[in-house]
Amino acid sequence: QELLQESGPRLVKPSETLSLACTVSDDSVSAANYYWSWIRQPPGMGLEFLGSIYSSRVTNYTPSLKSRITISVATSGSQVSLRLTSMTAADTAVYYCARGNVVTPPTNPHFFGQDVWGQGTTVIVSS
Amino acid sequence: AIQLTQSPSSLSASVGDRVTITCRASEGISRSLAWYQQKPGKAPKVLTYEASILQSGVPARFSATGSGTTFTLTITNLQPEDFATYYCQQLHSHVFTFGPGTKVDIK
Repeated sequence: QELLQESGPRLVKPSETLSLACTVSDDSVSAANYYWSWIRQPPGMGLEFLGSIYSSRVTNYTPSLKSRITISVATSGSQVSLRLTSMTAADTAVYYCARGNVVTPPTNPHFFGQDVWGQGTTVIVSS
Repeated sequence: AIQLTQSPSSLSASVGDRVTITCRASEGISRSLAWYQQKPGKAPKVLTYEASILQSGVPARFSATGSGTTFTLTITNLQPEDFATYYCQQLHSHVFTFGPGTKVDIK
């Protein structure tokens, strides 16, 4: 069984809201030493970091999406969710969730690379 | 946001070759850099983190160095399974940007 599994609609209409879930198969979703990211990859293009969450509530979003994106954790369902509003064709991509380690000393947190990835889910924006 | 550039954008190499990819950051990021390998249709796989630490299970022919603004990933004795696209990612700022990628294909 995969540790991370993305799920959600494959087809979204322009202007609609995309909601994706990343189900975590162990109980690490609320662990203090992990952060959770959403990353996407348009067809034939590179990786784009969308945002992340740690400590179940601290979020960081890429500036170009800041007005449209919400990432949240649902500990009851062991899920990390992505919500992206006002979808356009430019949002067509494979969407990945990923887990990385974070150390949170009294000062700034320190993040390490994402070492666990879901298999990705394809989202197409079309009417 | 911190920008990353990679060079070259693509390269052709033969099995057994030594390959070096460079990643440059628009500002200093200390050692907060990871390298990933991605094969077509698959999720990326982390190779190194903290600029030079090899992820568990990654073959020793992969190595990485750097700090500040310039980083390198080196693959010695290139193997058939190493033909892929490689990305760097900075984790210094809270927006963890990726480089544009370097495609390594067979000569």
